[in-house]
Amino acid sequence: DAKTTQPNSMESNEEEPVHLPCNHSTISGTDYIHWYRQLPSQGPEYVIHGLTSNVNNRMASLAIAEDRKSSTLILHRATLRDAAVYYCILRTIQGAQKLVFGQGTRLTINP
Amino acid sequence: EAGVAQSPRYKIIEKRQSVAFWCNPISGHATLYWYQQILGQGPKLLIQFQNNGVVDDSQLPKDRFSAERLKGVDSTLKIQPAKLEDSAVYLCASSLGNYRGLTYEQYFGPGTRLTVT
Repeated sequence: DAKTTQPNSMESNEEEPVHLPCNHSTISGTDYIHWYRQLPSQGPEYVIHGLTSNVNNRMASLAIAEDRKSSTLILHRATLRDAAVYYCILRTIQGAQKLVFGQGTRLTINP
Repeated sequence: EAGVAQSPRYKIIEKRQSVAFWCNPISGHATLYWYQQILGQGPKLLIQFQNNGVVDDSQLPKDRFSAERLKGVDSTLKIQPAKLEDSAVYLCASSLGNYRGLTYEQYFGPGTRLTVT
């Protein structure tokens, strides 16, 4: 499985934008970039995914580098509820399509 | 839409005892996953079902762990006998399916926190 590299932790302030980086230099052409987050004492929840183009949904935006070797999850206006561990995961569309979770980035939001 | 249901939410057992966890996925979801999450780590996939067939169980410790998904709906995960290192949160997830060329998000349940003493 192709690996991703994320910072262990990040901190931001409430109502400010947050940019969470992810490096995936060994990504293959069949790998989608998925982001999940895990709030305290809950199971992970899906945030967003993309293949080549930037993606937007109600929760976040995903900016994908042109060479696809890195991506950034953007929370446009962080709230205290966004404090969580964010996982960047490469998921191939071939085979079992399993999610392989790394350590993720622990995001702290200051009031 | 109801989410993924799991029970029990918490379980404390002594080592060498057995334990079973139950999962009810979202209605219509063909794929079901069991993950183990040790404190401070990301979830690790134990087993993946497509309907009632096993797709991937490469990381399931088969000498003590077993799982089944009868009739392609509910699933149970069993540990027998439990070891101290099995203390973790066991998460169940489901998705619409795994079809070549398509990718679907996984929906996770709240998990069962197992403590082995």
